[in-house]
Amino acid sequence: SAVISQKPSRDICQRGTSLTIQCQVDSQVTMMFWYRQQPGQSLTLIATANQGSEATYESGFVIDKFPISRPNLTFSTLTVSNMSPEDSSIYLCSVALDTLNTEAFFGQGTRLTVV
Amino acid sequence: AQKVTQAQTEISVVEKEDVTLDCVYETRDTTYYLFWYKQPPSGELVFLIRRNSFDEQNEISGRYSWNFQKSTSSFNFTITASQVVDSAVYFCALSARTSYDKVIFGPGTSLSVIP
Repeated sequence: SAVISQKPSRDICQRGTSLTIQCQVDSQVTMMFWYRQQPGQSLTLIATANQGSEATYESGFVIDKFPISRPNLTFSTLTVSNMSPEDSSIYLCSVALDTLNTEAFFGQGTRLTVV
Repeated sequence: AQKVTQAQTEISVVEKEDVTLDCVYETRDTTYYLFWYKQPPSGELVFLIRRNSFDEQNEISGRYSWNFQKSTSSFNFTITASQVVDSAVYFCALSARTSYDKVIFGPGTSLSVIP
């Protein structure tokens, strides 16, 4: 299994500012994923982060708005840039442990409110 | 393209009733994985089950059971003798798993168990 720690767990931010969310895993993983869950909605994949290469973004998400770092096999960050109230969501980090991905592990999420 | 449909947006049942949550998926891949996750009001995602596309056996775990039918592309989830603690949003999800693939979530079904 994998234990994922996300920081911060929640934050209230002013519009126009940026917030960096950290994701720490207790084991080395190749792939890390960042999801967004808007209020009352399902989870939507933002991007896939591979160590040593640029993140791959899903349609509708761009690097300028959601820059991602993946400096090593246990850590990643997601920045929500130039925030607006529409960015208010839960952001979740997820990892796959192996090619079979017996389970997709999720962090506890970061609940972001933009005012 | 991959897609997961959960036609039931909200379900309310009285405690001790049985309830089935429907999940229909679409994928062109021959190898894939299906998941169910629970998201209680606290917000964390709780893994319930993973099923691979080659294993059509139904599974039972306590009060939970899952019915996987490839012929109808369905992976339904039944809670027997529901309890108030079962109140949550339940997500069905799909992953191609060709190689560290991402998990695609359905829209979720909000289950309310009334005492």
